[in-house]
Amino acid sequence: DVKVTQSSRYLVKRTGEKVFLECVQDMDHENMFWYRQDPGLGLRLIYFSYDVKMKEKGDIPEGYSVSREKKERFSLILESASTNQTSMYLCASSDRATTQPQHFGDGTRLSIL
Amino acid sequence: DQQVKQNSPSLSVQEGRISILNCDYTNSMFDYFLWYKKYPAEGPTFLISISSIKDKNEDGRFTVFLNKSAKHLSLHIVPSQPGDSAVYFCASGSYNTDKLIFGTGTRLQVFP
Repeated sequence: DVKVTQSSRYLVKRTGEKVFLECVQDMDHENMFWYRQDPGLGLRLIYFSYDVKMKEKGDIPEGYSVSREKKERFSLILESASTNQTSMYLCASSDRATTQPQHFGDGTRLSIL
Repeated sequence: DQQVKQNSPSLSVQEGRISILNCDYTNSMFDYFLWYKKYPAEGPTFLISISSIKDKNEDGRFTVFLNKSAKHLSLHIVPSQPGDSAVYFCASGSYNTDKLIFGTGTRLQVFP
């Protein structure tokens, strides 16, 4: 079974802090994704990576950056957290160039005060 | 511009009856479609998919129908069970990219 692990289930940070969300997958997948889920807006793609050190912007990259130094690990960074970044953050991974579905972690509920 | 739309934010169905969740899309170039189910405090889990060259795919109690001319897909769950109560997301993908585009979700509640 594919396992996607997000380091924190719940996180509370303050406005202006630099926040790191970590994600690790154990299936040697090339692709990794970061989404945020908000009521009425569904899942929106923030960034994705199709290989180590490679990244592409998704639909809502503003205020975020990512890092992929190792194949199994994909980090989402909030450079200076703001209250409108309070959300559920979901990490996913998938094989490249197949129609195999993306596999998701359990999410991090981030609150910015 | 929302390329994948789920116009019903919620649906309530009695146990044992059929649940029908709907999804509309605008891009006729999508190659495949998926349904995910999400329980609170968990990540979405893959449920069922369908290629754009097919019009139906069935897996146990779950059937997905694709109407390409109407750019519409639906997920049928029969019979519905209380454990099916969750948020359901449809998603669309293309073979030239590994990204998916998700709908806004429909919350299904199955009551006894």
